[in-house]
Amino acid sequence: DTEVTQTPKHLVMGMTNKKSLKCEQHMGHRAMYWYKQKAKKPPELMFVYSYEKLSINESVPSRFSPECPNSSLLNLHLHALQPEDSALYLCASSQESFGVGTEAFFGQGTRLTVV
Amino acid sequence: GDSVTQMEGPVTLSEEAFLTINCTYTATGYPSLFWYVQYPGEGLQLLLKATKADDKGSNKGFEATYRKETTSFHLEKGSVQVSDSAVYFCALSDLGIQGAQKLVFGQGTRLTINP
Repeated sequence: DTEVTQTPKHLVMGMTNKKSLKCEQHMGHRAMYWYKQKAKKPPELMFVYSYEKLSINESVPSRFSPECPNSSLLNLHLHALQPEDSALYLCASSQESFGVGTEAFFGQGTRLTVV
Repeated sequence: GDSVTQMEGPVTLSEEAFLTINCTYTATGYPSLFWYVQYPGEGLQLLLKATKADDKGSNKGFEATYRKETTSFHLEKGSVQVSDSAVYFCALSDLGIQGAQKLVFGQGTRLTINP
């Protein structure tokens, strides 16, 4: 199994809603990542978890709250988002985060629209 | 900080044409280099990688050589197919300040192959 599975695939939410994005991998990877990708732009790193601990937060607003319940799961909790937060949110995992050259596997993404 | 510069797109070619997508990088350390491909509506897939100078990555007819002297990692394919139409991202990975691997992407090059 070399898949990273993200749910839901599409999400529409209001600015006062609370929702969560989910990501799952069963490759035994110990590093997991959240990226945000706007249309026609490259992915931008948001968070890195290494061995279930948050190791990088790229100054992301607090309305985005990551959680890593165990080594296979990664969540992104969303609250009070703005329309400009609409984007494709990509989850990725890699065997470890400290090895240069380690390949990252990406999920299909959740396309989020904030109305 | 580290950065990746790709040739501007979009690039449109006829089937069986030769493809080159230029990529140069700036990094303070010794990064690993990657090409990722994104098909419409999907996440990113690793196409090939190289971890040290003069390494050549190859996959599905695509090749790229890590050139330290010119800080380049140009993507080439001898004969493209319609199915190669996608967005291609050059990326580097290096250890961030907090010791976790970070992927830095170029802007992406949209490739369209006409039959």
